Amino acid sequence: ETGVTQTPRHLVMGMTNKKSLKCEQHLGHNAMYWYKQSAKKPLELMFVYNFKEQTENNSVPSRFSPECPNSSHLFLHLHTLQPEDSALYLCASSQENQGARHYGYTFGSGTRLTVV
Amino acid sequence: TQLLEQSPQFLSIQEGENLTVYCNSSSVFSSLQWYRQEPGEGPVLLVTVVTGGEVKKLKRLTFQFGDARKDSSLHITAAQPGDTGLYLCAGAGRYDYKLSFGAGTTVTVRA
Repeated sequence: ETGVTQTPRHLVMGMTNKKSLKCEQHLGHNAMYWYKQSAKKPLELMFVYNFKEQTENNSVPSRFSPECPNSSHLFLHLHTLQPEDSALYLCASSQENQGARHYGYTFGSGTRLTVV
Repeated sequence: TQLLEQSPQFLSIQEGENLTVYCNSSSVFSSLQWYRQEPGEGPVLLVTVVTGGEVKKLKRLTFQFGDARKDSSLHITAAQPGDTGLYLCAGAGRYDYKLSFGAGTTVTVRA
């Protein structure tokens, strides 16, 4: 496989459920990102990992918990979510610094999350 | 986070017409990128502009980076239904190159 792969593509969960989103990249990138995309709002950066180390947490509620076991895999663990957390969750990867400046981010297709 | 404002928010045109989308900020960026996102998919990088005043052409798409590296425009000539999508601009920070995204312009090209 090539590019950035996200699973599942769609997820419906209740507010008391626990679920995980998975992201995998086969591009040899060393930075990975979680973004939240809601209607009519800019992409919201949630977490950044460089070389498996979390380098940014944009004041994300603790009901979202990221995990990066290696440079190719990224998870987003979800628990006790709220209906307002319903959105498209996008994973992206890049070469850090100059790589991102010139070549941007490669995004996955996203997970459409609905919290009921 | 550096704020990027895109205009217009929505644009609906007939096939064959031209359109321009704008991306403005008060911040200086080391580069400016344009992405297109289709329904149910993630954004896909179209182009990166790095030098102030730079103009890049990609078939019927023309991208320009402002002289002061604070703004950019995307012009599509003779739009086609396949150009339909959400166009996002993103600026890379001057020092850490972290991307900040605009809210996007939804373009609909009617056949």
